[in-house]
Amino acid sequence: SQTIHQWPATLVQPVGSPLSLECTVEGTSNPNLYWYRQAAGRGLQLLFYSVGIGQISSEVPQNLSASRPQDRQFILSSKKLLLSDSGFYLCAWGGWLNTEAFFGQGTRLTVV
Amino acid sequence: ELKVEQNPLFLSMQEGKNYTIYCNYSTTSDRLYWYRQDPGKSLESLFVLLSNGAVKQEGRLMASLDTKARLSTLHITAAVHDLSATYFCAVGQGAQKLVFGQGTRLTINP
Repeated sequence: SQTIHQWPATLVQPVGSPLSLECTVEGTSNPNLYWYRQAAGRGLQLLFYSVGIGQISSEVPQNLSASRPQDRQFILSSKKLLLSDSGFYLCAWGGWLNTEAFFGQGTRLTVV
Repeated sequence: ELKVEQNPLFLSMQEGKNYTIYCNYSTTSDRLYWYRQDPGKSLESLFVLLSNGAVKQEGRLMASLDTKARLSTLHITAAVHDLSATYFCAVGQGAQKLVFGQGTRLTINP
C-alpha cells in the first residue's frame, strides 16, 4: 500500500534562516506531488505541484521554492524565512485524473 | 479561475440533530472530494465523487454531487460528538490540481 512520509513534524526557525522540508512517497510510481500551506484557522493554499522529476509548477509567488530530485521525493525550501512563512505545511500525493490526494502528517513551522 | 465556497464556515449543533454543509464551485469539474481535519492534524479523505448524481455514505455522513448545479452537500445524520472537526471540500481543476474550500468548523455539543 502507498504511504507518505513528511518530516519534521514541528519546526521553530528564526527569521532569515533557511528551510528544508522533505516528503517521500512509498508504494507508487510517478505520483503527482503537492505542497500546501495552511495558515492558522484557514483553508489550504496550494504552493507547488509536480507531475514528474524536475517538473515544478508554482502557484503563488513567494519566498519558497520546491524541487523533485527523485520520482518519490519532494522538497520545500527557503533561503531566508519570513515571519509570514509560519503555518502548517502539508505534502500530498495523487495519481492521475480521478484519484484523490492523500496527505502526509504535516509540518508545523513557526518562524520567530 | 476555479473558486470553491463552503457554507456555513462555522456550525455548532447538538447531538442527535441533522445538518448539511454546502460546497459550491464556479467552473465545470469532474471530481469532488470531502476531507476531514481534526485540530492540529492532517487531512483524512472521506469521499470521492466522480459523476453527476453520485451519492456516497459512511456511517452518519452522506455526500452527494450535482455537477449541473456545481454543488456538493455533506449531510450529517443524528450527529455525535466524535464528528466534531473541520470539513473541507476540494474540486479538481485540470488533470492535477485540487482547489479547496475554506473549510467548515463543526462543533457538536452534548
